[in-house]
Amino acid sequence: SSELTQDPAVSVALGQTVRITCQGDSLRSYYASWYQQKPGQAPVLVIYDKNDRPSGIPNRFSGSSSGNTASLTITRAQAEDEADYYCHSRDNNDNHLFGTGTKVTVL
Amino acid sequence: VQLVQSGAEVKKPGASVKVSCRTAGYTFYTYYVHWVRQAPGQGLEWMGIINPSGGSTTYAQKFQGRVTMTRDTSTSTVYMYLSSLRFEDTAVYYCARGDGGYNYHYFDYWGQGSLVTVSP
Repeated sequence: SSELTQDPAVSVALGQTVRITCQGDSLRSYYASWYQQKPGQAPVLVIYDKNDRPSGIPNRFSGSSSGNTASLTITRAQAEDEADYYCHSRDNNDNHLFGTGTKVTVL
Repeated sequence: VQLVQSGAEVKKPGASVKVSCRTAGYTFYTYYVHWVRQAPGQGLEWMGIINPSGGSTTYAQKFQGRVTMTRDTSTSTVYMYLSSLRFEDTAVYYCARGDGGYNYHYFDYWGQGSLVTVSP
């Protein structure tokens, strides 16, 4: 199917680890990229390709992929990591897809 | 690298809107530019892509027939034109620079967003 599905919301205790997953058929062929979005702001790229981070993104953010599922892991979560997170990939028809989004709450 | 978008717009149903995205800080021809929108309280929705080098475009099926993306190489600016506006087109519209390889793609720089409100 041409969709990317994410859990709507997850919570994590301060300093603990949280994994956000993204499922879709396109992920069998293309790596996901991940975006963090805080209220009223444009999305920010946090992970791309196999597991690359843009300059300035903390190394507590990491990515992985297996089959039709991509994952974003935040290790030692900080208060400033509280945000919405979206996965993205392209598909075989040159379309681009965004995941449904996951709201991460840091407790 | 900067992508600077035009300001907020208020339009009536059935009207059209043109949003601009002026790029700077990189060679305009060498990166694709995408348009992504976000309705209030909703997720991100991909609208289409333009290749600034030749001007070729690919649009999401949902918007085909209503959206046109163009570029002006003299000012390194891309434009998104959306016609026959409906209430559900109320959203923040973003331009984003695209990059990647044969099996991955990503948006590394984003504009600040342009709010388009469709109201009677």
